[in-house]
Amino acid sequence: GDSVTQMEGPVTLSEEAFLTINCTYTATGYPSLFWYVQYPGEGLQLLLKATKADDKGSNKGFEATYRKETTSFHLEKGSVQVSDSAVYFCALLMNSGYSTLTFGKGTMLLVSP
Amino acid sequence: GAVVSQHPSRVICKSGTSVKIECRSLDFQATTMFWYRQFPKQSLMLMATSNEGSKATYEQGVEKDKFLINHASLTLSTLTVTSAHPEDSSFYICSATDLRAAYEQYFGPGTRLTVT
Repeated sequence: GDSVTQMEGPVTLSEEAFLTINCTYTATGYPSLFWYVQYPGEGLQLLLKATKADDKGSNKGFEATYRKETTSFHLEKGSVQVSDSAVYFCALLMNSGYSTLTFGKGTMLLVSP
Repeated sequence: GAVVSQHPSRVICKSGTSVKIECRSLDFQATTMFWYRQFPKQSLMLMATSNEGSKATYEQGVEKDKFLINHASLTLSTLTVTSAHPEDSSFYICSATDLRAAYEQYFGPGTRLTVT
């Protein structure tokens, strides 16, 4: 079945450091890919998405490129802030009807001043 | 646009009682709503998928008689935890799919349930 694997956390960085959170997927077709962010005590917010190969999703300084050849969708940010501390979930959605999201286990990011 | 609300945001109930959680799409019509459960420091576990006007489809291992889901309209779905026990304490999150953007899900802010 479909699955998403993302690096285990927590990832601990200092403010203004470069961030990479790895995400790879397994799917039988060509999914859409998402990154969601969850701040403490809150629900999930869509951070960015990409619907086809080579698409780059970007938002709030975060970027991720849909790489079909490596089945990856790594999340990057050039300079993290303390306010970026949260849990980040990579997810895929098969583009066939009302299919369900498949989530990775989440990666906690902790940014210190 | 595409806002999903949940009510209540937090609830504490006694063991043996039932609790209802509402999920509403505020500015769009949601043909499909999803209910997730999240344990501390873990990912979201899909509990069930509900389509407006029909019975919910439950994931394997989820007791449909314990977690009653109703999707009576295109903007409202409810999850009722019946005869709650402490092990039902969790963070429950709903999401909804917009008719116009069939594949994207919009998430509610979650409901923290504590059963004492």
